[in-house]
Amino acid sequence: SAVISQKPSRDICQRGTSLTIQCQVDSQVTMMFWYRQQPGQSLTLIATANQGSEATYESGFVIDKFPISRPNLTFSTLTVSNMSPEDSSIYLCSVRAGPETQYFGPGTRLLVL
Amino acid sequence: GESVGLHLPTLSVQEGDNSIINCAYSNSASDYFIWYKQESGKGPQFIIDIRSNMDKRQGQRVTVLLNKTVKHLSLQIAATQPGDSAVYFCAENSKRDYKLSFGAGTTVTVRA
Repeated sequence: SAVISQKPSRDICQRGTSLTIQCQVDSQVTMMFWYRQQPGQSLTLIATANQGSEATYESGFVIDKFPISRPNLTFSTLTVSNMSPEDSSIYLCSVRAGPETQYFGPGTRLLVL
Repeated sequence: GESVGLHLPTLSVQEGDNSIINCAYSNSASDYFIWYKQESGKGPQFIIDIRSNMDKRQGQRVTVLLNKTVKHLSLQIAATQPGDSAVYFCAENSKRDYKLSFGAGTTVTVRA
């Protein structure tokens, strides 16, 4: 398995501002993912963070709202831009370790006022 | 798109009893399944996985059963403990895109 950390662990933000979430892995991984988990809900994939190229976004998610960086094989950031209360969620990064298994970070709990 | 879902949103279990959490999936191309446990305030934790060429897989106190005929997956927890209280998610993917699709989640509460 991989050890994954996220910063910040939680934040309270004002609407209209942006927050950048960091994800750090203790080993080099090929595939990293960002998920959103709205209150009381399941996980929804936002995008696949590709090292050295633009992220691949899922339907309903766009780069202008959720820009992603992946400068190397152990680190990625997700920015939540121009936030509104509807963006209040848990944001999780995950990595694929081994053929198929994904492991998750502890999550970033975001509250937008 | 096709989805993975859970039959029951909540499950209350007496401490020491066995728990069974069910999951239905509809994507016939799914060939890999994972169960995750998410405790309050934490990220999902990998519990056990199973590939489509297997019917059963056992771990420590947990067993996953896969019935491909009816597209059904279950997680059995033996001798449920208070620390097993959490939300449990099933997830599936296929070799086509390696993306996980998650079910709705079942909240398990263990009664002392």
